[in-house]
Amino acid sequence: GESVGLHLPTLSVQEGDNSIINCAYSNSASDYFIWYKQESGKGPQFIIDIRSNMDKRQGQRVTVLLNKTVKHLSLQIAATQPGDSAVYFCAENDATNKLIFGTGTLLAVQP
Amino acid sequence: DVKVTQSSRYLVKRTGEKVFLECVQDMDHENMFWYRQDPGLGLRLIYFSYDVKMKEKGDIPEGYSVSREKKERFSLILESASTNQTSMYLCASSLLELYTFGSGTRLTVV
Repeated sequence: GESVGLHLPTLSVQEGDNSIINCAYSNSASDYFIWYKQESGKGPQFIIDIRSNMDKRQGQRVTVLLNKTVKHLSLQIAATQPGDSAVYFCAENDATNKLIFGTGTLLAVQP
Repeated sequence: DVKVTQSSRYLVKRTGEKVFLECVQDMDHENMFWYRQDPGLGLRLIYFSYDVKMKEKGDIPEGYSVSREKKERFSLILESASTNQTSMYLCASSLLELYTFGSGTRLTVV
């Protein structure tokens, strides 16, 4: 029979608002973290990364925050636009250059 | 523009068929990976390869095999497709930690 998949967490925001997507990672030895964006029908695309010797890194309209104490990663998107609607994944490098991915969050931007 | 190309966007196969999913990269990367993606489960690693003719099992290798005869090509093989292998399959290649993904193959097994 058909299996029922798990629901994807969804964050719904208004256009122009700031978005914050959170991720808990599993391995305290991970030293490199990446956020990916996956639009419908496409593969994941790199957005921003951060190494474990940093706690904040900024890109264009995006900021990644790393809290190693509680093994938490967040992605902040400023002035969210309709084109930001996608599934966002965090990933951690387990030091063997294999990435471990989170389950993803669907960002839905309301006009 | 660097690329990872998966040969099919959509495939429909019958239970018991042998299925080949092809992936080609033009970046001369050593590392290549196959993931499957299911809602709420994220990306799960099936197999990976760090060199030609080399393969390693990922987290969910059961029911799959792979082939890496040339550096640029990494094939995923479903020996006998089953309905629980209906999924989105993503191929990636990497230089160290920097991954590039293909657009995915959505496989339906009926």
